[in-house]
Amino acid sequence: ETGVTQSPTHLIKTRGQQVTLRCSSQSGHNTVSWYQQALGQGPQFIFQYYREEENGRGNFPPRFSGLQFPNYSSELNVNALELDDSALYLCASSFVSLGVWASPLHFGNGTRLTVT
Amino acid sequence: KQEVTQIPAALSVPEGENLVLNCSFTDSAIYNLQWFRQDPGKGLTSLLLIQSSQREQTSGRLNASLDKSSGRSTLYIAASQPGDSATYLCAVRGGTNAGKSTFGDGTTLTVKP
Repeated sequence: ETGVTQSPTHLIKTRGQQVTLRCSSQSGHNTVSWYQQALGQGPQFIFQYYREEENGRGNFPPRFSGLQFPNYSSELNVNALELDDSALYLCASSFVSLGVWASPLHFGNGTRLTVT
Repeated sequence: KQEVTQIPAALSVPEGENLVLNCSFTDSAIYNLQWFRQDPGKGLTSLLLIQSSQREQTSGRLNASLDKSSGRSTLYIAASQPGDSATYLCAVRGGTNAGKSTFGDGTTLTVKP
């Protein structure tokens, strides 16, 4: 069973630039969600995708956007980067059946984004 | 709005001690509660998942309980080892956004040899 993989592991960008982070879901999973984790805090929900559509969003501005592809891989795009966007970005996948969100979340190792 | 609190924020114990980590949440309308472990700079490793209809789950030296009505969960670690040193996070799933998980800020555990 292949776990959740994320790329790249580290990234340094300049304020105002755009960035794309990638995630491959665990085999057999059909939903993907993204979280932002600042140092010393718990992960904060950005959004999730199910059946290639955004299916819930946290308190993040529209410059955070995403995609889910038919093979259940996903991208997180962040435009107009700000210094406060520096964080660990975590991707998680799970399986949803008949609208029941009962299965566990499985996380990747994250992408460490530094904005200078 | 769901809020999750973990107490204590940090805990240091000698090797071999049994310990309890606490997690409380404000909205009892949850699908499940999941405990994770996070090593520095790493992703989250799932430890235990408790469905809303369950009272506890066990895996090896770990036992997690859930009291949904009071909005509380505990993670019990038996016979702690230095390798247990990590940050432990709890997350509740459900509410108005069924797929969203809300996390606490974690308890950082140090087990001294």
